[in-house]
Amino acid sequence: RKEVEQDPGPFNVPEGATVAFNCTYSNSASQSFFWYRQDCRKEPKLLMSVYSSGNEDGRFTAQLNRASQYISLLIRDSKLSDSATYLCVVEATGGGADGLTFGKGTHLIIQP
Amino acid sequence: NAGVMQNPRHLVRRRGQEARLRCSPMKGHSHVYWYRQLPEEGLKFMVYLQKENIIDESGMPKERFSAEFPKEGPSILRIQQVVRGDSAAYFCASSQQEYNQPQHFGDGTRLSIL
Repeated sequence: RKEVEQDPGPFNVPEGATVAFNCTYSNSASQSFFWYRQDCRKEPKLLMSVYSSGNEDGRFTAQLNRASQYISLLIRDSKLSDSATYLCVVEATGGGADGLTFGKGTHLIIQP
Repeated sequence: NAGVMQNPRHLVRRRGQEARLRCSPMKGHSHVYWYRQLPEEGLKFMVYLQKENIIDESGMPKERFSAEFPKEGPSILRIQQVVRGDSAAYFCASSQQEYNQPQHFGDGTRLSIL
């Protein structure tokens, strides 16, 4: 089983719709979780951290489900500018820092 | 406040040459990470460094690749005797602390091997 797994998509969604995607992780000891956004041939940029209690930032809502080992990202009222690849990122804990583990990303296309 | 600075943005090398990629972390950040993104692949961790120390190089290929983060100056990722398979985007990230801190990425260096 891959460490961090995402549906690669693409998700084709009409503008204004709500879209959600999940990411599963295999390391139950993982402590930190993030969603990054990556535009084509650009560097990943932090979209939001994911907290145990869930968190919301404008149209974006992130949730963490430790029991089932997945995180989710919900985008409401989607905009054309939301078209990008969304990377699920999990940080290992304890003993050595091997950095972040990235999923391969979910490709989102918002259509006018 | 400048972000993570990587240079060059694009680097073209012929097989057998050496490639040097530079990364200056954000001001106040002392932790540097290098990642490689192959075409159609996710980002893969390569190495984690603090000033003058390699903390974790578990993602580095055993041969031809090396990294350093000297007391003064940028972090350097060095690839000797490059091969076609080294063609990728190499991203550097930095953070203030080790855990629970999101990493800030540079624009990346796109390495092309002819």
